Amino acid sequence: AAGVIQSPRHLIKEKRETATLKCYPIPRHDTVYWYQQGPGQDPQFLISFYEKMQSDKGSIPDRFSAQQFSDYHSELNMSSLELGDSALYFCASSLGLGPGTSYEQYFGPGTRLTVT
Amino acid sequence: AQSVTQLGSHVSVSEGALVLLRCNYSSSVPPYLFWYVQYPNQGLQLLLKYTSAATLVKGINGFEAEFKKSETSFHLTKPSAHMSDAAEYFCAVSESGTASKLTFGTGTRLQVTL
Repeated sequence: AAGVIQSPRHLIKEKRETATLKCYPIPRHDTVYWYQQGPGQDPQFLISFYEKMQSDKGSIPDRFSAQQFSDYHSELNMSSLELGDSALYFCASSLGLGPGTSYEQYFGPGTRLTVT
Repeated sequence: AQSVTQLGSHVSVSEGALVLLRCNYSSSVPPYLFWYVQYPNQGLQLLLKYTSAATLVKGINGFEAEFKKSETSFHLTKPSAHMSDAAEYFCAVSESGTASKLTFGTGTRLQVTL
């Protein structure tokens, strides 16, 4: 079965640079979530989109922005990177409010961002 | 606001022994509850979910969990541990009835010994 695809899988950036992470949800899934997992930490919710509109916002820095496109893929843009941004970034998708909603989120393999 | 508390950051069991990972939740509305497993350097895989149907939920790989409202608990169990069960386990909660964010516990690392 098709899963959530994230690219790139690994990314190394220097401080103050920018990074773009991409997420391709499971086909027919209309809701995308972004989470950040620091070393030895639990995943922390950043932001979510339902039908291309922002549906919820968590502890996402102002330096970060995200959007969901017409094909439902999503991108997380990170600017002025800091050392503390080094983490594993997960994207998850789910079937939102439509018929057959189960609300379970399926996670991608993550993008490991290292800021040096 | 909703939260989950996982008791025990590390649990060690012998192969073939019972696995019990504890999770207690706090939620102002009826919760949806989930258990995810994470193997090293991998994503999170859904083990099982509670969404207000049966209180005893069976998941993949022989795991199950029981929702106990009176105890605000959703503990994860497996009758017989296997070496391949060694991983990090996260309990998570979301608000029922909406496609909403997950709030995770701090995780429990399960070690399985011979």
